[in-house]
Amino acid sequence: DQQVKQNSPSLSVQEGRISILNCDYTNSMFDYFLWYKKYPAEGPTFLISISSIKDKNEDGRFTVFLNKSAKHLSLHIVPSQPGDSAVYFCAAPPGGTSYGKLTFGQGTILTVHP
Amino acid sequence: GAGVSQSPSNKVTEKGKDVELRCDPISGHTALYWYRQRLGQGLEFLIYFQGNSAPDKSGLPSDRFSAERTGESVSTLTIQRTQQEDSAVYLCASSLGGGGRGGYEQYFGPGTRLTVT
Repeated sequence: DQQVKQNSPSLSVQEGRISILNCDYTNSMFDYFLWYKKYPAEGPTFLISISSIKDKNEDGRFTVFLNKSAKHLSLHIVPSQPGDSAVYFCAAPPGGTSYGKLTFGQGTILTVHP
Repeated sequence: GAGVSQSPSNKVTEKGKDVELRCDPISGHTALYWYRQRLGQGLEFLIYFQGNSAPDKSGLPSDRFSAERTGESVSTLTIQRTQQEDSAVYLCASSLGGGGRGGYEQYFGPGTRLTVT
């Protein structure tokens, strides 16, 4: 049962344009979401997060939007830069607990062309 | 400041041999996690430690897999009688225990790439 899904395996964007990465979840207990970025041969690094009490969280070029009714979140990167090329994972901890395992999506490979 | 470190970075082993993977978490992080990532797949949870106890071992795929943690420090993941399907990148992460955002944000090591031939 894939509780966190990233249906687009890859995304290609021109430098300077917006990148939009999508993520859907099925578990209504999830109340916190994180985005991680992963370069080859490195571990994932935390990028941005959002609590279910919000519908938007912004950090510089990165904004995450949460639509609870649709069980959907998206990561917007504006403007996209070649250094943003990486695999992006959305993840969620167990709902109702303060910590625990993260459930990850399959990842989306973002390529930003100069 | 030191991040999460893992050793070895790469390990090639023959089918049937045992392997031991090591993780050094960030100092002061009481929570430690093991995940694995098979080729083309997302990260798959294996086990979670809070201190040196493991309240969640639900992701260990078989009894060939075991893990331990000494104190609130180093953890080792042991795979006995390795099989080809064990080939993956094994990732360790640590986080601050307790409530709130600090508990959710996990910091990952670079991983150990295990190849079983």
